[in-house]
Amino acid sequence: QQQVKQSPQSLIVQKGGISIINCAYENTAFDYFPWYQQFPGKGPALLIAIRPDVSEKKEGRFTISFNKSAKQFSLHIMDSQPGDSATYFCAASRLSGGGADGLTFGKGTHLIIQP
Amino acid sequence: EAQVTQNPRYLITVTGKKLTVTCSQNMNHEYMSWYRQDPGLGLRQIYYSMNVEVTDKGDVPEGYKVSRKEKRNFPLILESPSPNQTSLYFCASSLWGGRAGEQFFGPGTRLTVL
Repeated sequence: QQQVKQSPQSLIVQKGGISIINCAYENTAFDYFPWYQQFPGKGPALLIAIRPDVSEKKEGRFTISFNKSAKQFSLHIMDSQPGDSATYFCAASRLSGGGADGLTFGKGTHLIIQP
Repeated sequence: EAQVTQNPRYLITVTGKKLTVTCSQNMNHEYMSWYRQDPGLGLRQIYYSMNVEVTDKGDVPEGYKVSRKEKRNFPLILESPSPNQTSLYFCASSLWGGRAGEQFFGPGTRLTVL
């Protein structure tokens, strides 16, 4: 059972455009939603993360929008640049309560920014 | 430099030949984890460890073993590798004991089992 669904699988955006990647989750116990960026030949690296007590978090050109009632969150990349071309993973985990859950990842989005 | 290291980075082996992929972190993190990455499937957790001598299964543990004898090291062991274990493997660590939080990933180990 996939707990985090990510779309689209691949995305091509023109330089300067807005890239939007969407994720939906099922487990209402999730309370931490990070996005990871992965360049070819490298391990994923944390890009930006949000907790459900806010609806939006912005860091530079990257914004997470979070809709708790719809159980959805999305990554927006403004003024997309060729250097943003990478694979993006959304993820979710449970930071509160008992247990030691790991991150549950979406399947990834391969983003290409065309010059 | 704070980092997670993995060795080897590339490995080609044959079915049934035992192998170990090492993982080490220098950030004094309590939580360590192994993932495999396959096309179209994303990252799936194999095993994780909350602290020394504490390990537990993730989503896809079959065919793998781990150990955590020291805080900094978390080796992944394939006792009898099979072709379906051909994959890209990542080790990760997190400061928050018992919690995923921000995970720092190693550079990956590409394993091919013939």
